[in-house]
Amino acid sequence: QKEVEQDPGPLSVPEGAIVSLNCTYSNSAFQYFMWYRQYSRKGPELLMYTYSSGNKEDGRFTAQVDKSSKYISLFIRDSQPSDSATYLCATLGGGNKLTFGTGTQLKVEL
Amino acid sequence: KAGVTQTPRYLIKTRGQQVTLSCSPISGHRSVSWYQQTPGQGLQFLFEYFSETQRNKGNFPGRFSGRQFSNSRSEMNVSTLELGDSALYLCASSLDGDHTGELFFGEGSRLTVL
Repeated sequence: QKEVEQDPGPLSVPEGAIVSLNCTYSNSAFQYFMWYRQYSRKGPELLMYTYSSGNKEDGRFTAQVDKSSKYISLFIRDSQPSDSATYLCATLGGGNKLTFGTGTQLKVEL
Repeated sequence: KAGVTQTPRYLIKTRGQQVTLSCSPISGHRSVSWYQQTPGQGLQFLFEYFSETQRNKGNFPGRFSGRQFSNSRSEMNVSTLELGDSALYLCASSLDGDHTGELFFGEGSRLTVL
C-alpha cells in the first residue's frame, strides 16, 4: 500500500463547477499536508499547505485535512479553464522529504 | 527573483552510460531536494541536501547519488543507466528551517534511456 493514495482521474468538469480532489494517507505521524499544482511540461508549484486537521482557504481554493480519517481534500470553487492541470497532494516527512500522491489530472472545459 | 534552474532540460542516453544533472536553487535557499517523476510511480523522493550534507535519502539504489556545493548548487548522478531510469528529474529548493513542505521546483530534466 502506498503511503499516499490519490485517484488519478482524469476529471473533466464544466467551467464554474466546484471541484473536489481527495487523497488518503496511511502514516498517522504526518502533520503537514500540501497541495501542489503541475501544468504540462512544468514543475509542481505549491498551492496550499495545512498543519494538522482543519480547513484553510485561499481565494477559490480550500484545503481540508481530517486526521481522524486520514483524508485530505482540495476544493476549487468557480473552476476556470486555467485551473486545468494535475493536482498533487503531499505529506511531509523528515526534513523536506515529501511523499506525493500520484496526482489527479483535471480539465475544466468551456 | 530567478527560479530554480535545471540543466540540461532534455537528454538521451543509452543503457550502461552515466548522467549528471545540475540544479541551481533560488538565491538564498540552502536546501535542495531531488525527485524522480514517472507516469507509473508519480513523484518519488531521491535525496535532500542541506549545507553540502545529505540530510535525507529515498529508496533508490546506490547508482543514484548527489552532492551539494558551497554555493548551494547541486548535482545528481545516475550511473549504469537502465531503461527504467527514463523519467523527469525534478530539483526543488527551499529556505529551510520551518519544514513546512514549501518547495520551489524547477522545470526538470527529462532523461530518456535507450
